[in-house]
Amino acid sequence: GAVVSQHPSWVICKSGTSVKIECRSLDFQATTMFWYRQFPKQSLMLMATSNEGSKATYEQGVEKDKFLINHASLTLSTLTVTSAHPEDSSFYICSARDRSGANVLTFGAGSRLTVL
Amino acid sequence: GDSVTQMEGPVTLSEEAFLTINCTYTATGYPSLFWYVQYPGEGLQLLLKATKADDKGSNKGFEATYRKETTSFHLEKGSVQVSDSSVYFCALRDFNKFYFGSGTKLNVKP
Repeated sequence: GAVVSQHPSWVICKSGTSVKIECRSLDFQATTMFWYRQFPKQSLMLMATSNEGSKATYEQGVEKDKFLINHASLTLSTLTVTSAHPEDSSFYICSARDRSGANVLTFGAGSRLTVL
Repeated sequence: GDSVTQMEGPVTLSEEAFLTINCTYTATGYPSLFWYVQYPGEGLQLLLKATKADDKGSNKGFEATYRKETTSFHLEKGSVQVSDSSVYFCALRDFNKFYFGSGTKLNVKP
């Protein structure tokens, strides 16, 4: 079945540094990838929709300059948390929908970011 | 706007008990409905789905029926196992976006 790989699975960084998280579709082409943020014991909050070859669409309240999203190919999207601060610590999850437009999302395993 | 409401947890059951996790939704279009399961430290895995009214999704003994008249998609299982302990998310897809409920943690005791 469809597999989405997310890397790194966990990362610890110092405040003020930038962190990049990769999301790859391993066995299918994903024209659309979604980035979510999950707070402890809460649901997933959609941050942005990433379309291959075009700018990401951000949800209201999400700072596009803070969370840079690049979808350079049909199998890779990246989320860069710039100038990270402790409040950015969270679980970030990507998901992808394949090129056929199937009505199902495949999720990565998530990346836990801790900013000291 | 679109939204999903599911029962708050945690839900604690004994092994072999009957499970119901309630889910209701609000949507402007004709959504598809999903149940996802999240194991600790992992992303979400699709459990089952239904794409139109009266459809029944089923997988691994879990079932949910798309009820348009009550805007519901309740998750049920006749006999839960310890291995079913996890967090369950109800979700809908409307147009190009997915919306998730807040999740319900299920604890199954031996």
